[in-house]
Amino acid sequence: EPEVTQTPSHQVTQMGQEVILRCVPISNHLYFYWYRQILGQKVEFLVSFYNNEISEKSEIFDDQFSVERPDGSNFTLKIRSTKLEDSAMYFCASSEQDQLLAFFGQGTRLTVV
Amino acid sequence: AQKVTQAQTEISVVEKEDVTLDCVYETRDTTYYLFWYKQPPSGELVFLIRRNSFDEQNEISGRYSWNFQKSTSSFNFTITASQVVDSAVYFCALSENFGNEKLTFGTGTRLTIIP
Repeated sequence: EPEVTQTPSHQVTQMGQEVILRCVPISNHLYFYWYRQILGQKVEFLVSFYNNEISEKSEIFDDQFSVERPDGSNFTLKIRSTKLEDSAMYFCASSEQDQLLAFFGQGTRLTVV
Repeated sequence: AQKVTQAQTEISVVEKEDVTLDCVYETRDTTYYLFWYKQPPSGELVFLIRRNSFDEQNEISGRYSWNFQKSTSSFNFTITASQVVDSAVYFCALSENFGNEKLTFGTGTRLTIIP
């Protein structure tokens, strides 16, 4: 069964460092998403991406965040200068245009120290 | 604006008991989708069900069943004959418009099944 793959599963970074979280969506999917879950809290929408551009973003997704689909298969989330409060589980998701169901990756746990 | 409320923060039941997880939603759209996800201790999000706003039929899948009532804006989830493997955090979520829009999640209910 096809699945969304995220790497790494856990990343530790120093405050102020740039971090890139990687996702390989399901191959025929057209819509891509990033969500964040601070430990013990709910899952929050960050950004959606379609047709090589951001279609919607939340208030959380400020100038420190960016997304990219560099090579037609990967979908990345970059945080330019990490803060302690960026520590969270980050989930990538993708959906096929007509099926309307987003499949989630297993998540990347980001720890900022 | 859309909102999902899961009033039950934590529930503990003894194995084999039935348990119902509540979900109440708010939306101004007439077309929307409701979801349940399971998050086991390993952390991934496991899709359980999606229901569109035009289909109020209750659904049963093995020990799981869902009760969708538009009149009360609720989409409750029942586990029958609970098992220890059901222990997890369960999230209800809502997607407006055509379902490719963002998911708005509730705060989750942590379910603990006591052996």
